[in-house]
Amino acid sequence: DAGVTQSPTHLIKTRGQHVTLRCSPISGHKSVSWYQQVLGQGPQFIFQYYEKEERGRGNFPDRFSARQFPNYSSELNVNALLLGDSALYLCASSLQQNLPDTQYFGPGTRLTVL
Amino acid sequence: GESVGLHLPTLSVQEGDNSIINCAYSNSASDYFIWYKQESGKGPQFIIDIRSNMDKRQGQRVTVLLNKTVKHLSLQIAATQPGDSAVYFCAEIRQGGGNKLTFGTGTQLKVEL
Repeated sequence: DAGVTQSPTHLIKTRGQHVTLRCSPISGHKSVSWYQQVLGQGPQFIFQYYEKEERGRGNFPDRFSARQFPNYSSELNVNALLLGDSALYLCASSLQQNLPDTQYFGPGTRLTVL
Repeated sequence: GESVGLHLPTLSVQEGDNSIINCAYSNSASDYFIWYKQESGKGPQFIIDIRSNMDKRQGQRVTVLLNKTVKHLSLQIAATQPGDSAVYFCAEIRQGGGNKLTFGTGTQLKVEL
C-alpha cells in the first residue's frame, strides 16, 4: 500500500513569491494535516482538514492557506514568502477527524526561500 | 507556556544495549501520546502510541511508559541496533484539540558500534 505522498520533494523560491505544496493521503484516509518543521525543531501544526472542511488551524499568519479536494488530497499555499518560511513541510493523514487517531506522515517538501 | 519537552537532546548507546528516551509534558488534559522516529531527510515514522488510561504499552522491541502523576513519558528500545539511530519525538494530543499533534524538540539517538 502506498503511504502519504508529497510533491515536490524540494523547492527553491525567492522572497515575495508564492508556493503550492501537494499531498495525497493514504487510501481510505479522510483527514489531512499540515505541519512545518524548522531545522532542529519538532513539527508545528498548521492546518487540519477533514471531509474538505478546515477543522483546526495553528498559529500561522493568513499568508498560509490550504484546501482539501473531493478525493481527500490537499494543497498548502503560502503567499508572500519570507526567509523564515524555509522549512520542511509535512503532510500527515489519518482515518478520522477528531478522535485521537494515528497520523502517518509523508516524506515532506523541503522549501528553501532565498 | 504549556509544552511537550525532552530531557536530553542527544543520547549515545552501544549497539545491543537498551535505550531509554524520556519526555515530560505539562498539560494534564493530554489524553493521547505518540512516539515518532525521524531519520535524516525523511518524515516522522510512527513507532508506538499510548492513551492516558494506560500506563504501559509494548510493541516489537519498544515499550512506552506513561506516568501521569509526574507527567512523564518514556520510550524504551531493547537491543538497540544501528538502524535505530534517528531523532525521536514525543507528541501529544490534548482533549478537545481535535487531532492536532504537539511535538517536543526531539532527542538524537546515536548507536555506537
